[in-house]
Amino acid sequence: KAGVTQTPRYLIKTRGQQVTLSCSPISGHRSVSWYQQTPGQGLQFLFEYFSETQRNKGNFPGRFSGRQFSNSRSEMNVSTLELGDSALYLCASSPIGGDTQYFGPGTRLTVL
Amino acid sequence: SQQGEEDPQALSIQEGENATMNCSYKTSINNLQWYRQNSGRGLVHLILIRSNEREKHSGRLRVTLDTSKKSSSLLITASRAADTASYFCATDETGANSKLTFGKGITLSVRP
Repeated sequence: KAGVTQTPRYLIKTRGQQVTLSCSPISGHRSVSWYQQTPGQGLQFLFEYFSETQRNKGNFPGRFSGRQFSNSRSEMNVSTLELGDSALYLCASSPIGGDTQYFGPGTRLTVL
Repeated sequence: SQQGEEDPQALSIQEGENATMNCSYKTSINNLQWYRQNSGRGLVHLILIRSNEREKHSGRLRVTLDTSKKSSSLLITASRAADTASYFCATDETGANSKLTFGKGITLSVRP
């Protein structure tokens, strides 16, 4: 099976812009989670979707949002970008009833 | 917030030696997982141990879990230069519903 894919892999934006990142989970996986990784804060949970519903949300401002489509693909959106949003954004999928999360390669976002 | 705290923060060993990494956490968990990350890329799942398990093996990996002390250790035997990476413990907290809480990670360097 193909692994989790994320697009784009690299992105450069300026402050105030918005950005949309995409994640395609492993075939058959219905749960998709998003994490932000920065040198200062480490890996932090953003949100998790299952069957198009947000089941869990981390402690991030409302500028961070996401959605999941009927084919389990997910997108996350960050509006009004700030310098501190520069990070590696990781997506992970897991199968129904499974505990292991399988991560994609990440999207590296740089905000100038 | 960080749940897992890994120890040490950095470890440098010679190829062929064993590497032991420790992780402590604060709350009740369903399971604890160890991941590896190479140079800011995606996370690779190594091993999962459930709260009712005490020890688990996978190839050169051995993980232990002590729920009374809220701690885990990961042992990599006969290390190789290719094991050079960052290692993270992640806890799946009771009731957290697919949200993993990561520690800050351990940087392992294996010298050839």
